[in-house]
Amino acid sequence: DQQVKQNSPSLSVQEGRISILNCDYTNSMFDYFLWYKKYPAEGPTFLISISSIKDKNEDGRFTVFLNKSAKHLSLHIVPSQPGDSAVYFCAAKRAGNQFYFGTGTSLTVIP
Amino acid sequence: SQTIHQWPATLVQPVGSPLSLECTVEGTSNPNLYWYRQAAGRGLQLLFYSVGIGQISSEVPQNLSASRPQDRQFILSSKKLLLSDSGFYLCAWSSDQKNIQYFGAGTRLSVL
Repeated sequence: DQQVKQNSPSLSVQEGRISILNCDYTNSMFDYFLWYKKYPAEGPTFLISISSIKDKNEDGRFTVFLNKSAKHLSLHIVPSQPGDSAVYFCAAKRAGNQFYFGTGTSLTVIP
Repeated sequence: SQTIHQWPATLVQPVGSPLSLECTVEGTSNPNLYWYRQAAGRGLQLLFYSVGIGQISSEVPQNLSASRPQDRQFILSSKKLLLSDSGFYLCAWSSDQKNIQYFGAGTRLSVL
């Protein structure tokens, strides 16, 4: 049962434009959400996170938005750069030690 | 600072052979430890997690097992590998104080 879903397996964006990656979840008990970036043959690296008490968190070019009523979060990358080309995973956590990951979205930024 | 080491980076094994992948964490004590597998074109599947020495929770019943002989060491094993065990295996750690999971570099396992 996939509790965290990324329905777009891939996304292509022109360099300098905005990249928007989406994620939906089903479990209303999730209270912390994260985005990870993964290059081929490497482990995922933590990018940005947001607590359920907030609806927006910003870190440089990266902003995460959380819509709790819709059970939806998104990652905005502005401006997109070729080095941002990677697979992006969203993850969610509730009380306890387990993290639940989406299936990933492969972002390609075209120079 | 904390670091996580995972080895080997690449492994090619014949069907029916045993497996042992090792993961160690430095710079923290009593971490929560995890093993994930990423099959080709798929997301991260949680295999095992551990909150302490000798405490292992299995998420997916299969041909693999995990052990935690020391506080910061996590081992993934198999007695006899199957073709379906091929994939990219990732070790990760987290702490109870911080809601972030940190990953190792991964092991590419090919079972032939």
